[in-house]
Amino acid sequence: AQSVTQLDSQVPVFEEAPVELRCNYSSSVSVYLFWYVQYPNQGLQLLLKYLSGSTLVKGINGFEAEFNKSQTSFHLRKPSVHISDTAEYFCAVSGYGSNYKLTFGKGTLLTVNP
Amino acid sequence: NAGVTQTPKFRILKIGQSMTLQCAQDMNHNYMYWYRQDPGMGLKLIYYSVGAGITDKGEVPNGYNVSRSTTEDFPLRLELAAPSQTSVYFCASGTGTSGGFETQYFGPGTRLLVL
Repeated sequence: AQSVTQLDSQVPVFEEAPVELRCNYSSSVSVYLFWYVQYPNQGLQLLLKYLSGSTLVKGINGFEAEFNKSQTSFHLRKPSVHISDTAEYFCAVSGYGSNYKLTFGKGTLLTVNP
Repeated sequence: NAGVTQTPKFRILKIGQSMTLQCAQDMNHNYMYWYRQDPGMGLKLIYYSVGAGITDKGEVPNGYNVSRSTTEDFPLRLELAAPSQTSVYFCASGTGTSGGFETQYFGPGTRLLVL
């Protein structure tokens, strides 16, 4: 079984500031890692995913994340945020051999203020 | 392509009523999933399917049923609705590729209120 912990439920930042959203996971098997974004009253969209290979993964809208196996972390970063990045962000994990089922964290609400 | 579609968008049910949440995808995906999202709790998997005729329970299946008679459709049935089933329900689909990974594509959600 897998579990995901998103360490911050809310992160307020000012526009053009950098941001890091933290995610830790636990699993007894190897995993795939994902970040999804949910804008108000919408479904989830994939931001980026780590499957294998390079531990630094780049996604859409200028986001990137780094997989750290020793720390079981997959933190999401953006060097300069925009008002339009205001949304809820979910970290998710899928264990090898699990039929690609996703286990989600509880989400982090990123609020970008002018 | 419409992607993943869900109907209805919003529904109010009385306790004890039943209803079916519809989900369809036009991407020829084999894998389909149903999640519920409660405030501050993330998404929890209710049921999933790896192909027509094959379904299995997720983390929170009690009070729900599913069927998968075609590749395109994956309806979720609520029997005897309870206030605890008030939630936002998301359907998702994915390729389940032989490469050993997949991305799930989500529908817009159905907001259900049980009173």
